[in-house]
Amino acid sequence: DTAVSQTPKYLVTQMGNDKSIKCEQNLGHDTMYWYKQDSKKFLKIMFSYNNKELIINETVPNRFSPKSPDKAHLNLHINSLELGDSAVYFCASSIGQGANEKLFFGSGTQLSVL
Amino acid sequence: GQQVMQIPQYQHVQEGEDFTTYCNSSTTLSNIQWYKQRPGGHPVFLIQLVKSGEVKKQKRLTFQFGEAKKNSSLHITATQTTDVGTYFCAEGGSYIPTFGRGTSLIVHP
Repeated sequence: DTAVSQTPKYLVTQMGNDKSIKCEQNLGHDTMYWYKQDSKKFLKIMFSYNNKELIINETVPNRFSPKSPDKAHLNLHINSLELGDSAVYFCASSIGQGANEKLFFGSGTQLSVL
Repeated sequence: GQQVMQIPQYQHVQEGEDFTTYCNSSTTLSNIQWYKQRPGGHPVFLIQLVKSGEVKKQKRLTFQFGEAKKNSSLHITATQTTDVGTYFCAEGGSYIPTFGRGTSLIVHP
């Protein structure tokens, strides 16, 4: 069983479209995250949720809207996609929030905006 | 999160050679984590260091945390082709781990 699963694995779409990426974890963790990895492999935090509540919202355009229906799910909806949104998006989870928490990552969603 | 600088960005080695990646911060870190990402894969947690001067080993991998807790290193002895990937350090002391830019290791057989 995959601990952190995200779908789809690949997403190819046109500029201006709206798309969603889903993430689920079966580890019983309280905290979930979205990271964006660019072509130079830089992993940048986008959002962090703890028990369905938004904890961290880094400087991300408001075209990106996370939704956490319960603590096992954190979905990412992106409106009006732009070329610069092309990247690999990783969902991750940890037992709690704060220091000493190790992250468990999903396998990533490669988003290509044409 | 705090900024962690990681060098080098890339490292090519011949199989059997040693490899080291370094992670530095201008401020004291509460802890440092290391992750490995295989090509096409996702980051996988390797280890966490918390104490000043701490050294931990995992087979051919040696992890060190500096005495001042401002730097860390990962050393691989006698690299193998299975070591290929990008190694990230991450500062885990704030609400969210903040990653260095990673060191991509390329091992030539």
